[in-house]
Amino acid sequence: KQEVTQIPAALSVPEGENLVLNCSFTDSAIYNLQWFRQDPGKGLTSLLLIQSSQREQTSGRLNASLDKSSGRSTLYIAASQPGDSATYLCAVYTSGTYKYIFGTGTRLKVLA
Amino acid sequence: DAGVIQSPRHEVTEMGQEVTLRCKPISGHDYLFWYRQTMMRGLELLIYFNNNVPIDDSGMPEDRFSAKMPNASFSTLKIQPSEPRDSAVYFCASSLSRLAGGLFYYGEQFFGPGTRLTVL
Repeated sequence: KQEVTQIPAALSVPEGENLVLNCSFTDSAIYNLQWFRQDPGKGLTSLLLIQSSQREQTSGRLNASLDKSSGRSTLYIAASQPGDSATYLCAVYTSGTYKYIFGTGTRLKVLA
Repeated sequence: DAGVIQSPRHEVTEMGQEVTLRCKPISGHDYLFWYRQTMMRGLELLIYFNNNVPIDDSGMPEDRFSAKMPNASFSTLKIQPSEPRDSAVYFCASSLSRLAGGLFYYGEQFFGPGTRLTVL
């Protein structure tokens, strides 16, 4: 059974800092991995999708990497801003189950 | 496109009442997912459809929950009878699969704004 873990559960950083969020999964047989952002009381916004054949994806200040063999993905946020404050979730689409399994999220606070 | 549309946005009901949540996926998407989010359990997949056909409902907690997708542009999640422990935010999401270079890709999921359900 696929298990997805995100560490740390919460993170507080000063504005301008570069930071890395981690996502670990136990079953490396995945189709893709998606990173989302969720603002309080809101739905999920897709940030980046990495197919299993890819190693990384970039969008603006965000860069997501995928290492299937080690069951890890990282989301790198460059030059963090207070507007980046939100909960970040990763979701893994596992082969065979055809389901997205979500991590519990990392709650990020960027201090002005 | 307007994105995934869910209604109502908020629902307050009394225990024992029937609740129906509605979802309109993004036009052309072939997958539709229903999720439930609570503080205790996080985001859980309840059921998903492919081309209007339910594929996996193993996440549906009890027989009190049912979901339908009568056509490509509409889905409902029904709870009958509702209980206080059903209180949560229910999300609908849709995605588009595609074939490229001989490989099958599961596309990006797009989420609706959610329905916040409170059962008193």
